[in-house]
Amino acid sequence: SQKIEQNSEALNIQEGKTATLTCNYTNYSPAYLQWYRQDPGRGPVFLLLIRENEKEKRKERLKVTFDTTLKQSLFHITASQPADSATYLCALVDQTGANNLFFGTGTRLTVIP
Amino acid sequence: DTAVSQTPKYLVTQMGNDKSIKCEQNLGHDTMYWYKQDSKKFLKIMFSYNNKELIINETVPNRFSPKSPDKAHLNLHINSLELGDSAVYFCASSQDMAVQETQYFGPGTRLLVL
Repeated sequence: SQKIEQNSEALNIQEGKTATLTCNYTNYSPAYLQWYRQDPGRGPVFLLLIRENEKEKRKERLKVTFDTTLKQSLFHITASQPADSATYLCALVDQTGANNLFFGTGTRLTVIP
Repeated sequence: DTAVSQTPKYLVTQMGNDKSIKCEQNLGHDTMYWYKQDSKKFLKIMFSYNNKELIINETVPNRFSPKSPDKAHLNLHINSLELGDSAVYFCASSQDMAVQETQYFGPGTRLLVL
């Protein structure tokens, strides 16, 4: 069966450290993988997109890697801040369909001052 | 200047009722979506729609139907509401159905069926 798993339901880190979130998928052939941020009571907000032929993408303090052999994406937040506390969702677009996003289970990140 | 808006924000209703949730986007996008987020925060696609094509997730009961009066609106109608329909429903839009397009989400409608 198809699965998108984010290994940690919750992650607590100290301010200033690098947060690393993991997304693993099974039985998908993703054309793209995206990361979204969701704050309580709000809709997801797009952060980064990485294509299947890209290994790494960066945006300010954010970095995403994509390993199609391991079927895994890693999402890093460097120099984390309390304002980074939120739930982070990975989502992939399968090559076989339209632009339908299939979301992972989410990781709730808390950055402790 | 809200990009994707939904009404109502909260909806509490009795089992068996019929209800609608409205969604509007002012981004000029061609494609709109509905997602359901359950109590475990798992977000799942229900529909994707543009003026040419409706794609329905096969697991969505036919009590749910999207209706689009124009390109900027995609409303969600739910007939014969059931307890299990309680969830947060998110509308989203993207420029078109191309697979690389970013999706923009609305704030969500929290539905509680009693």
